[in-house]
This record gives sequence, C-alpha cells and structure tokens, in this order.
Amino acid sequence: SAVISQKPSRDICQRGTSLTIQCQVDSQVTMMFWYRQQPGQSLTLIATANQGSEATYESGFVIDKFPISRPNLTFSTLTVSNMSPEDSSIYLCSASQGLARGYTFGSGTRLTVV
Amino acid sequence: QQQVKQSPQSLIVQKGGISIINCAYENTAFDYFPWYQQFPGKGPALLIAIRPDVSEKKEGRFTISFNKSAKQFSLHIMDSQPGDSATYFCAASRSGGSNYKLTFGKGTLLTVNP
Repeated sequence: SAVISQKPSRDICQRGTSLTIQCQVDSQVTMMFWYRQQPGQSLTLIATANQGSEATYESGFVIDKFPISRPNLTFSTLTVSNMSPEDSSIYLCSASQGLARGYTFGSGTRLTVV
Repeated sequence: QQQVKQSPQSLIVQKGGISIINCAYENTAFDYFPWYQQFPGKGPALLIAIRPDVSEKKEGRFTISFNKSAKQFSLHIMDSQPGDSATYFCAASRSGGSNYKLTFGKGTLLTVNP
C-alpha cells in the first residue's frame, strides 16, 4: 500500500493566521482525503481532494476556511485559514488506490492555535 | 445521522483473552468494511477488511464476522496481547459513486492488561 508523508507533524500557531499542511504519497493514488480528529475522538472527513478540480467538501466545511489543492496524483495540501482555538485538532491525510487496496493514512498534523 | 455505530466505547481485557468490538451500519449501499488500529500519535492503520459476500475473514489473531441481514460486523482479537492496546475504528464505504469515502465509527479504546 501507499506510504504517506505528512508535514508538519505539529505546529503551534497564533489565532488569525493560516497553516498549510502538506501530504506526499510515494505512488500515484486515485483518491486523497483530508480528515480532522479531536484527541480521543473519531475521524471526521473534511473533504475529498480532487486532482485538477475543486475539492468536494463535507457538510460543515467550506472552501474559504479549508482551501485544498491537489496538483497531481501524489500530492495535496490543506490550508487552515484564519485560525481560532477551535481549529486546534489533528489533521490527517488519507489516500487510496482503490477499494481493493484500502486506505492509507499519514501520521497527522497536531495543530494548536493559541 | 451516525451511519456506523460502534460499541463498546472502551474495553479492558486480560492478556490471552478475546477482545470483541461490534459495529452496526445503516446504509445498505455500503460494501466495504475495514477495521483500523490507531496508536497514540499515529495515523490509523488498516488492520483487516471484509466485503459482504463473505461472512468471516481471518488474518492471524484478527477475525471479522459479518452479518449482512443484521447489518452488523465485529472484530475479534484472539489471544489479546498488551501490544494490542490501541484505539480501534470500524468503517464502511461504498464502491459506487464518484469516490469511496470512509464513514467511521466512534472508536473503541482497548486496554489489554498483562
């Protein structure tokens, strides 16, 4: 299965600023996703990163707050914009080469907004 | 609306015992049911997955039992070890449509006592 490198692994940011998280996959993948996970909680899908087109956002998440890029089949970025303490969470990138190969997750980015 | 319900929320098992985690789903279009294992500070890792055309799948000490009519599936960990202590998530997805996004259960924190 694909191996995902995600960075930064953690960051502490000032409120009102933005952070861009990078996700690099070691092979071409069909699908890439971005999740948010509060410590001790389940994973919530933010959006599906579509290659060459706008991301598909889940209910409660909007492009202005979480702009996503996916310029090719191995790379995606998630930006958390105009951050507030409520954005403090773990953000995870996921990728799949199709259901038969399952979904792989990065190790996550632990974001703290102060 | 929670489409995948997972129980129990936490589980304590003695070393050598059997750990059982249950999930129920609502969407009959789901046709892929993976289980993920997550250690603190790490992303979820695929443990085992099943499709609804089989009732059971076994990989080493891990077994998925699937009951299509009841819309339930469960993870059994035989001979549980302290190294199995982690959070386990069930998930579901459907192969139709434009993407294969996963819907996760809320997770089960498993503690295996030595």
